Amino acid sequence: EPEVTQTPSHQVTQMGQEVILRCVPISNHLYFYWYRQILGQKVEFLVSFYNNEISEKSEIFDDQFSVERPDGSNFTLKIRSTKLEDSAMYFCASGGSGIPTGELFFGEGSRLTVL
Amino acid sequence: KNQVEQSPQSLIILEGKNCTLQCNYTVSPFSNLRWYKQDTGRGPVSLTIMTFSENTKSNGRYTATLDADTKQSSLHITASQLSDSASYICVVSGQAGTALIFGKGTTLSVSS
Repeated sequence: EPEVTQTPSHQVTQMGQEVILRCVPISNHLYFYWYRQILGQKVEFLVSFYNNEISEKSEIFDDQFSVERPDGSNFTLKIRSTKLEDSAMYFCASGGSGIPTGELFFGEGSRLTVL
Repeated sequence: KNQVEQSPQSLIILEGKNCTLQCNYTVSPFSNLRWYKQDTGRGPVSLTIMTFSENTKSNGRYTATLDADTKQSSLHITASQLSDSASYICVVSGQAGTALIFGKGTTLSVSS
């Protein structure tokens, strides 16, 4: 069964460093999303991406964050100058059709720990 | 403000018993409501999606109901199993935009 894969599963970084989280969406999907979940809190929307452009971004997704689709298969989230409060689980999701009606498939997440 | 509230926050039941989880939302205009299961440290997995016109939808032992007039939904789990232990998250989508609005989830623990 096709699935969304994310790497790394866990990354520890020092405050101020840059991290890149990678996602391989399901191959025929066109809609891509990043969400984050701080420990013990609800899942929060970061950004949606379609046709090589950002469709929508939340207030959380400021200049510290960027997304790219560097090739036909990967979808990345870059976090610059990491802060302690960036520690969270970051989920990538993809869909064959867009929100609001489309089904969304989540990856297993990348846990980011900022020290 | 668009919000999704779930109750109870946590629930402990014995294996084999049934349970019902609640979700209230204030998202407007409304498009659809989803229930996800999230195992600890894993990504959410979709259980059901219901549109405005659907009142009930089943997926195996999971049955979701939706009352769009009162903006309430429930997820009923029948004959619970140990593997049902997880967080169950209610997620609502509006008619515009691409952001899903997540509830905080109900943590279900099924014990033997």
